[in-house]
Amino acid sequence: KQEVTQIPAALSVPEGENLVLNCSFTDSAIYNLQWFRQDPGKGLTSLLLIQSSQREQTSGRLNASLDKSSGRSTLYIAASQPGDSATYLCAGAYNNAGNMLTFGGGTRLMVKP
Amino acid sequence: DAGVTQSPTHLIKTRGQHVTLRCSPISGHKSVSWYQQVLGQGPQFIFQYYEKEERGRGNFPDRFSARQFPNYSSELNVNALLLGDSALYLCASNGRGRTTYNSPLHFGNGTRLTVT
Repeated sequence: KQEVTQIPAALSVPEGENLVLNCSFTDSAIYNLQWFRQDPGKGLTSLLLIQSSQREQTSGRLNASLDKSSGRSTLYIAASQPGDSATYLCAGAYNNAGNMLTFGGGTRLMVKP
Repeated sequence: DAGVTQSPTHLIKTRGQHVTLRCSPISGHKSVSWYQQVLGQGPQFIFQYYEKEERGRGNFPDRFSARQFPNYSSELNVNALLLGDSALYLCASNGRGRTTYNSPLHFGNGTRLTVT
């Protein structure tokens, strides 16, 4: 059974801190690993997609890594800002079209000014 | 390009009723997926359609059905509503051209369904 777990469930940090969000998955046969951001009551915004053949992806202050052998991915956020406050979700794609995703429960991040 | 659009944004139904949710993908996207997100949890995969054909189905009862139209828009139907069907229903699209391979999913803002 494909399971995705995110730890911690909630995180509060002061503005300016660098932080790491963790994601683990039980089935290493993923085609890609995607990170999303969700603001309260809203849909999901795609942040980064790491293909199974890649080790990491970067976009601005965000860096995501993927280690299939250990079943882990991390999302690194540099110099956090209050506007980064949201729920961050990781999801593994188990079909090659990358649209049948298994999601983790999310990490709720609060960045305090 | 306009993003993925879903309607209605909110809906209140009574147990036993039927509901139809609608989704328009990003222009050029041929694949549509549906997800259910219960409060406080991550989304769960329900259906995936490509070129009007069902390509995948999650672990949901037969009360849930969907279809995709020639213009690639989609409907999700739920019959005999239960209290536990209360959730945010998300639609997502991906893929331009002839393939959806490994392209990021783009989500709409969802339909908030409340069953009383």
